[in-house]
Amino acid sequence: KAGVTQTPRYLIKTRGQQVTLSCSPISGHRSVSWYQQTPGQGLQFLFEYFSETQRNKGNFPGRFSGRQFSNSRSEMNVSTLELGDSALYLCASSSSGSSTDTQYFGPGTRLTVL
Amino acid sequence: AQSVTQLDSQVPVFEEAPVELRCNYSSSVSVYLFWYVQYPNQGLQLLLKYLSGSTLVKGINGFEAEFNKSQTSFHLRKPSVHISDTAEYFCAVSDMVGGGADGLTFGKGTHLIIQP
Repeated sequence: KAGVTQTPRYLIKTRGQQVTLSCSPISGHRSVSWYQQTPGQGLQFLFEYFSETQRNKGNFPGRFSGRQFSNSRSEMNVSTLELGDSALYLCASSSSGSSTDTQYFGPGTRLTVL
Repeated sequence: AQSVTQLDSQVPVFEEAPVELRCNYSSSVSVYLFWYVQYPNQGLQLLLKYLSGSTLVKGINGFEAEFNKSQTSFHLRKPSVHISDTAEYFCAVSDMVGGGADGLTFGKGTHLIIQP
């Protein structure tokens, strides 16, 4: 089976712009989670989608949003970019969205905001 | 709410020596426990997880971890490390009550440096 794929792998944007990141989960997986990884804050949970529904969101401002499509692919969007949004954004998928599930991570999208 | 503390940000070890990476957690509810590894420029890969049963859990690449409920710890060990084990290691917990919707809560990570 192919693993979790994320596109693009690298992005450079300027402050005030918006960005959309894409994640394709492992085939058959219905849950997709997003995480932000920075040197200062570490790995932080952004949100989780299961069967096209956002079930939970972490402590991030409303500028961060996402969605999941019927084929389980997911996108996350960040509007009005700030310098502090520079980070590695990781997507993870799991089969049933249970807390016992193994989450399989993609390689991430490295976002740099100038 | 949960929190995870990895006491060592960096652990240097000589090749073929044993290593222990420490992890303590705090939670108001019962949790499941995980260790992930991240190699440079890659995503995270699961090493092992504790859900229930035997407190000693064996994972991939010769790693094992022991769950200690009274000390709220889940330390990772390997009896003999190799250069290829150089990576960032993350301890994480998930909430039994909230289900997978709450995501994983991660520690800050421990950078394992293997010296020849």
